[in-house]
Amino acid sequence: EAGVVQSPRYKIIEKKQPVAFWCNPISGHNTLYWYRQNLGQGPELLIRYENEEAVDDSQLPKDRFSAERLKGVDSTLKIQPAELGDSAVYLCASSLTENEQFFGPGTRLTVL
Amino acid sequence: DQQVKQNSPSLSVQEGRISILNCDYTNSMFDYFLWYKKYPAEGPTFLISISSIKDKNEDGRFTVFLNKSAKHLSLHIVPSQPGDSAVYFCAASDQTGANNLFFGTGTRLTVIP
Repeated sequence: EAGVVQSPRYKIIEKKQPVAFWCNPISGHNTLYWYRQNLGQGPELLIRYENEEAVDDSQLPKDRFSAERLKGVDSTLKIQPAELGDSAVYLCASSLTENEQFFGPGTRLTVL
Repeated sequence: DQQVKQNSPSLSVQEGRISILNCDYTNSMFDYFLWYKKYPAEGPTFLISISSIKDKNEDGRFTVFLNKSAKHLSLHIVPSQPGDSAVYFCAASDQTGANNLFFGTGTRLTVIP
């Protein structure tokens, strides 16, 4: 069974530039999560989707971050414009049952 | 406000000995707890979990203990192996339907051969 796929794995951009991350969850997993992990910290939830509906986006900085999950399968997380403090690893996870989430390898973003 | 805390950023253990990783939480609504293991350049992988109705759950070399009154859980690895060297994250959720996980800051375990 293929795991959660994320791309790109690494991204370096200059501040004020836009950036987008893509995630393809495990087949059949209706719930999809985006997390941000800062250096030395644990992952923090940004947004959670149930199928194509964003059911919890309370931690998503909506002034510059946006996300979509068209057709309830893969998802895109966008930052526009990026700031220096956005440098982090962005993790996507998916789940079928409650609580057990499967994580992708993440995208390491560096904003210069 | 960190609701899940792992106060030891690192731990070194000799191969074959026991590794004990600790985790504390503050939110009394948490009733499901998980441990994730993370290797460099990979995402966290699920290791073991425990529901608040239990005080112990065992899976091979891994055992998680939960002390609800102290809001404390621990992960025991016996015997420790060099391949166990990784960062371990404690996570918690409340089963009110949110399914959201709150993670600790992680403990880096090094098992010395």
